Amino acid sequence: AQSVTQLGSHVSVSEGALVLLRCNYSSSVPPYLFWYVQYPNQGLQLLLKYTSAATLVKGINGFEAEFKKSETSFHLTKPSAHMRDAAEYFCAVSPMNRDDKIIFGKGTRLHILP
Amino acid sequence: DSGVTQTPKHLITATGQRVTLRCSPRSGDLSVYWYQQSLDQGLQFLIQYYNGEERAKGNILERFSAQQFPDLHSELNLSSLELGDSALYFCASRAGLAGSSDTQYFGPGTRLTVL
Repeated sequence: AQSVTQLGSHVSVSEGALVLLRCNYSSSVPPYLFWYVQYPNQGLQLLLKYTSAATLVKGINGFEAEFKKSETSFHLTKPSAHMRDAAEYFCAVSPMNRDDKIIFGKGTRLHILP
Repeated sequence: DSGVTQTPKHLITATGQRVTLRCSPRSGDLSVYWYQQSLDQGLQFLIQYYNGEERAKGNILERFSAQQFPDLHSELNLSSLELGDSALYFCASRAGLAGSSDTQYFGPGTRLTVL
């Protein structure tokens, strides 16, 4: 079975500061891992996806995430936050080759302070 | 714009009623997924269709049903509505089946309010 835990339902960072959103997963089989972003009144947009090709995954809008098997983590980072990054971020997991079984975390709302 | 369209954008109805939510996938995508997003349950997978056939089921209530038509659009039917059914309902589409390298693309959602 798969599960995802996102640490912190709300995270606030200053504009220009490092963004770090934490995600830990549990999976009985090798996983696919995802980060999605949801802007206000919009659907989810894929930021990046880990499919075992490389442990450091680069996504859109300057985000990246590193898969750490030993820590069962897939934290999302961005070196310098922008006001437009304010949104809700979802980490998700699925069994490898079965991403019809995708399980989402509860989400982390990112606030950017001027 | 993901290319996935959902109608209506907002829906307000009363308990006990029945509603139909509609989703048009991206051009050429054969798979359609339905999700429910609520404050207490988060984002939950409901059901998946591929080329007209049901492929996977998640936490979908018996009062809910879905289908995918020959033109690949999909409808989610919610009946005997309860207050707790108030949520955002998302549709997502992808080109093929699980295991391929393609991605699910989400529509903007339908916000259902049950009064």
